Amino acid sequence: QSVLTQPPSVSGAPGQRVTISCTGSSSNIGARYDVHWYRQFPGTAPKLLIYANNNRPSGVPDRFSGSKSGTSASLAITGLQADDEADYYCQSFDSSLSVWVFGGGTTLTV
Amino acid sequence: EVQLLESGGGLVQPGGSLRLSCAASGFSFSSYDMSWVRQAPGKGLEWVSGITRSDGYTYYAESVRGRCTISRDNSKYTLDLQMNRLRVDDTAIYYCVKHRPGRFRDYFDSWGQGTLVTVSS
Repeated sequence: QSVLTQPPSVSGAPGQRVTISCTGSSSNIGARYDVHWYRQFPGTAPKLLIYANNNRPSGVPDRFSGSKSGTSASLAITGLQADDEADYYCQSFDSSLSVWVFGGGTTLTV
Repeated sequence: EVQLLESGGGLVQPGGSLRLSCAASGFSFSSYDMSWVRQAPGKGLEWVSGITRSDGYTYYAESVRGRCTISRDNSKYTLDLQMNRLRVDDTAIYYCVKHRPGRFRDYFDSWGQGTLVTVSS
């Protein structure tokens, strides 16, 4: 069981907007630690998608955005495209466990 | 361009040992902390172990502490993970990841392609 909780799957039609939630606790997201998001296509390594809650690395389109509030965070994807289909993982740090923690991952179907 | 190339994975019996290596290039290796993150088949991501950039301070997940040793050679741009007393639940793809300093804690801005470790009799 992951320290950060994500829905196992979400879906949306092309062009629509979807959000993926990431719920933690007072020892991780609810503390001062930022949330980061990674995207993983089948058979490939994860890749950084959003860092520090709402920042995009160069090359990531502005269709992807992140937010954080309290003990939760969200990843929003607008203008869904077929090639957005992938697994998405949130990540933070947990001060009680003293480890980096991930969500269980969310499979996006378009 | 940052490149991380893992090697050393394979099939090993329970109780056996394996040494994973990661060859880094395209960045100043000695300037960044590094970690190993693993992913069991069909499962999510789990941080395994990390090492600081210069003083070599090491840290481990509870699941591998006492069985694994992480090390680095800044002159050779390599990161290693020695895994002993392997268990069936250590079966996973192991990724070498580069840290990026965050506001309070790092995140992982580059990942290798991974190396598969299978523990089975």
